[in-house]
Amino acid sequence: DTEVTQTPKHLVMGMTNKKSLKCEQHMGHRAMYWYKQKAKKPPELMFVYSYEKLSINESVPSRFSPECPNSSLLNLHLHALQPEDSALYLCASSRGDGGNYGYTFGSGTRLTVV
Amino acid sequence: GENVEQHPSTLSVQEGDSAVIKCTYSDSASNYFPWYKQELGKRPQLIIDIRSNVGEKKDQRIAVTLNKTAKHFSLHITETQPEDSAVYFCAAVPYYGNNRLAFGKGNQVVVIP
Repeated sequence: DTEVTQTPKHLVMGMTNKKSLKCEQHMGHRAMYWYKQKAKKPPELMFVYSYEKLSINESVPSRFSPECPNSSLLNLHLHALQPEDSALYLCASSRGDGGNYGYTFGSGTRLTVV
Repeated sequence: GENVEQHPSTLSVQEGDSAVIKCTYSDSASNYFPWYKQELGKRPQLIIDIRSNVGEKKDQRIAVTLNKTAKHFSLHITETQPEDSAVYFCAAVPYYGNNRLAFGKGNQVVVIP
């Protein structure tokens, strides 16, 4: 399996809702990432998990809460989002530490906050 | 931190011609330079990468060159085809990067049939 699987593909949520995005990989990768991408912009790093521990939080607001239950799974819990949080949320994984391995991206969850 | 600049922002080429996208980086410690292709509505996909101990790498119609002294690297696509139309992102990873990729702003390539 050489893919990163993200669910759901699309999500519409109200500003008072709580929802979760899920990401799964079975490539044995030990680093997993959440990125946010707005239209016509590059992906922006949100969180990095390395060996199931949170190693980077790019000053992301607390309404986004990541979780890594095991080495294959990564979740992003969403609560009280704002309309400006609408974006494509990409999960990615890579072989390990150090960053000098290519990322494999998932297809993303297109999130709309209403 | 690392700053990656990418030029031009948009590139139109006739089918069959070559396309070149250039990126510059600021951190001389950066040692890994991947290129991603993102088609409309799809995920970024790694198409080629180069490490700092190599000057050039080729994979069929695509190639990447790295000039460490000048701190720039380029993507070359030969014999362009309509399916090469996409946004291309360059990136760099500092040696100390903690898995943090610094992306360029992206380049929209349009191949005109």
